[in-house]
Amino acid sequence: KQEVTQIPAALSVPEGENLVLNCSFTDSAIYNLQWFRQDPGKGLTSLLLIQSSQREQTSGRLNASLDKSSGRSTLYIAASQPGDSATYLCAVVNNAGNMLTFGGGTRLMVKP
Amino acid sequence: DARVTQTPRHKVTEMGQEVTMRCQPILGHNTVFWYRQTMMQGLELLAYFRNRAPLDDSGMPKDRFSAEMPDATLATLKIQPSEPRDSAVYFCASAPGSRDYGYTFGSGTRLTVV
Repeated sequence: KQEVTQIPAALSVPEGENLVLNCSFTDSAIYNLQWFRQDPGKGLTSLLLIQSSQREQTSGRLNASLDKSSGRSTLYIAASQPGDSATYLCAVVNNAGNMLTFGGGTRLMVKP
Repeated sequence: DARVTQTPRHKVTEMGQEVTMRCQPILGHNTVFWYRQTMMQGLELLAYFRNRAPLDDSGMPKDRFSAEMPDATLATLKIQPSEPRDSAVYFCASAPGSRDYGYTFGSGTRLTVV
């Protein structure tokens, strides 16, 4: 059974710092991996989708990498801003299925 | 922007009452998921449908939960009777037939059972 872990569970940084959020998964037979952002009391907003054949995806200040063989993904946020404060979730789709398996999330606070 | 629409946004009900949550997937998406989010368990899959047929509902307590897709534009999740432990945020997500395009989530229904 696929298990997804995100470390750290919470992170507080001063504005302007570059930061890395980590995601690991136990079964490397994934189809793709998706990073989401969730603001308090809100739904999930898709940030980046990485196919299993890809190594990274970029969108603005966000860069997600994928190392399928080692079961790891990172989300890099450059020049963090207070508006980046949210919970970041990673989720994988296995080769054998369609559903997303989620990690527990990293709660990020960027202080002005 | 195409979006997944969930109603109601909030629901407070008394224990034992029936609760129905609705989801309108993105037009053209043929795969629909129901997830539940709690502080303790995070996001858990309850059920999912493809072309309106249920493919997996193993995450759902079947004695009280039921999920259906009466047509391609509506998915429903019912709880009868509701219990306080059902208090959570229920999310619907939809996806096109190919897994290549990721999943789009609705804003969720926050359910409180008192």
